[in-house]
Parts: sequence; C-alpha cells; structure tokens
Amino acid sequence: GAGVSQSPRYKVAKRGQDVALRCDPISGHVSLFWYQQALGQGPEFLTYFQNEAQLDKSGLPSDRFFAERPEGSVSTLKIQRTQQEDSAVYLCASSLASNYGYTFGSGTRLTVV
Amino acid sequence: QKEVEQNSGPLSVPEGAIASLNCTYSDRGSQSFFWYRQYSGKSPELIMSIYSNGDKEDGRFTAQLNKASQYVSLLIRDSQPSDSATYLCAVIMGNQFYFGTGTSLTVIP
Repeated sequence: GAGVSQSPRYKVAKRGQDVALRCDPISGHVSLFWYQQALGQGPEFLTYFQNEAQLDKSGLPSDRFFAERPEGSVSTLKIQRTQQEDSAVYLCASSLASNYGYTFGSGTRLTVV
Repeated sequence: QKEVEQNSGPLSVPEGAIASLNCTYSDRGSQSFFWYRQYSGKSPELIMSIYSNGDKEDGRFTAQLNKASQYVSLLIRDSQPSDSATYLCAVIMGNQFYFGTGTSLTVIP
C-alpha cells in the first residue's frame, strides 16, 4: 500500500478485555517498530522487528503485551487483560532499513474503561 | 538522563520569524537523526533527516548536527501559522529509534 495502515483507528475496551492491534507496513519495508504515545508525550519504544524476527522487545511494559510479525509483513500487537494505564495511542512505523527515517501509521487510540 | 532531550516549550514565534528547535542525545555513537512534525491528534510526519555534521537545508527547514556536542537542531525560516505543531527529535541508537518528548511550537499570525 501507499502508507502504513493501522486498524482499528479507535478501540474502547473494558478493563480485563484482550485487544489486538494490527499494523500493515509499506510493502517491502523490512524494519517495523511499535510505539506507545501518551497524551502530551513523545512516542515511547515498545518493540522492533526486522522482517519476522523480533530483535528488541525491551520496551514492552509487562508480560501482558505481546507482538508478532510471523511472515515479515503484517504485525499484531496484543494486549491481554487490559488496564486503564494501557490507554494511549499505539503507533506503528516502518522503514526500508534500520537507519532510514520511519513512516508512521495513523495509530490506534486505545481507551480502557 | 533520557536518551533524547528536548525543551518541551511551548515556543511561540511571530509569523515570518525564525523558529529554533533544539535537541541533545546521549549516545555519542549515534549516526542517524530525524525531525518529525506532529499535529494534534495526528501521527508523526518525517520532515528532515541528517547523518553528517553541518547543515542540511530543505526549503524553509534547516537541520544542524554537531556530533561532538551531541546536539541537533531544526531551524524553520519564515514561520507560518501552519507550522504550529509539536516537533519531535528522533535518534537511532543501536536497534532503537528514540524520540524526545517534543517541542510545542505556536506561530502567531
């Protein structure tokens, strides 16, 4: 596609519910990041993929967070047993290579009530 | 100390003035630096990348990099109200792409 596509754009989840957020990167982009952005803050790193390999997951805040990219293209960020502090915008970004600028998707705004 | 630091602002400049945005980073070995613009409620948009010491100009935007001082800046000439946004500095360190917290810029007509 022409850009990075994320779905859903908005998600409201009841506390304790599991959610899955999808990222469809630009075709051919090898590198993929997930970020969490709270209101008024810069994006905070969650995890990084190069193709299907998850090279860094040190930013995932707890073991309730899980990300995968099984075929090196679409990636899914899963949050189990959501908590109110998980409410944020989740941004996905992709790039041709690890040292290039990244293109962001529109994000998924998650609200946990 | 955060890996990438920016003055959060807000920074206000009159229309037509030069806006100067600054960023420092912690990893002396970093090689790739970026400036993103983020409008309220939107995702970050890449506006400049810089990899070598010195200045890089693109239209009204100039990025400046000083690796010895671990400092990168963005100058916006002839500022327009449409430039009002949050500007995020980003640096690649190892496998991670670190962002600063952003500087909020308001251009006053």
